[in-house]
Amino acid sequence: SQQGEEDPQALSIQEGENATMNCSYKTSINNLQWYRQNSGRGLVHLILIRSIDREKHSGRLRVTLDTSKKSSSLLITASRAADTASYFCATGFGSSNTGKLIFGQGTTLQVKP
Amino acid sequence: DTGVSQNPRHKITKRGQNVTFRCDPISEHNRLYWYRQTLGQGPEFLTYFQNEAQLEKSRLLSDRFSAERPKGSFSTLEIQRTEQGDSAMYLCASSLELGTFGREQFFGPGTRLTVL
Repeated sequence: SQQGEEDPQALSIQEGENATMNCSYKTSINNLQWYRQNSGRGLVHLILIRSIDREKHSGRLRVTLDTSKKSSSLLITASRAADTASYFCATGFGSSNTGKLIFGQGTTLQVKP
Repeated sequence: DTGVSQNPRHKITKRGQNVTFRCDPISEHNRLYWYRQTLGQGPEFLTYFQNEAQLEKSRLLSDRFSAERPKGSFSTLEIQRTEQGDSAMYLCASSLELGTFGREQFFGPGTRLTVL
């Protein structure tokens, strides 16, 4: 079963614009992670935010987490054609609990040059 | 290359045959995970190991599926009596788990299984 729901399912923007993807989940978590998957390539980890944090930045990526609403968002600023991929949020439960990640169904992002 | 590797990358088999996949994790990582991904979906957790101990198995992992991680190094996932519904991408990941909040997982390229 998949815990996360991502919105939108598909997003198409022009190069240079910002892209925002949202993720909602159902149960308590210790962390939330975002991954990218290009066609023909494996999943690549982008960023991890702990449940005690509200915002985290990494380069052009900004992630927010609202544990009261059980939701997260991923913002990609100044998008590039190379950002075209599927983006998945995944909820994690910490080392002392189960190690598994539960993934959402993903957002497909197309960045047009 | 010190990333996670998986072999084979592609496997085509006939229904009823057995298949085995191999995963070599990043060497210093103590946890190894198996996931399955079908088209248009996110990966679904199958099982994971901490060192050589298999700590959790999903309900998705029927008794036709078995996984091992001898000596806490590489892992194998075997599917017996394959069914067409087993067709999917099988992903392996590893992590170095420390602390309370968990760590990122590093994924291999996957093994794409097609059951005819």
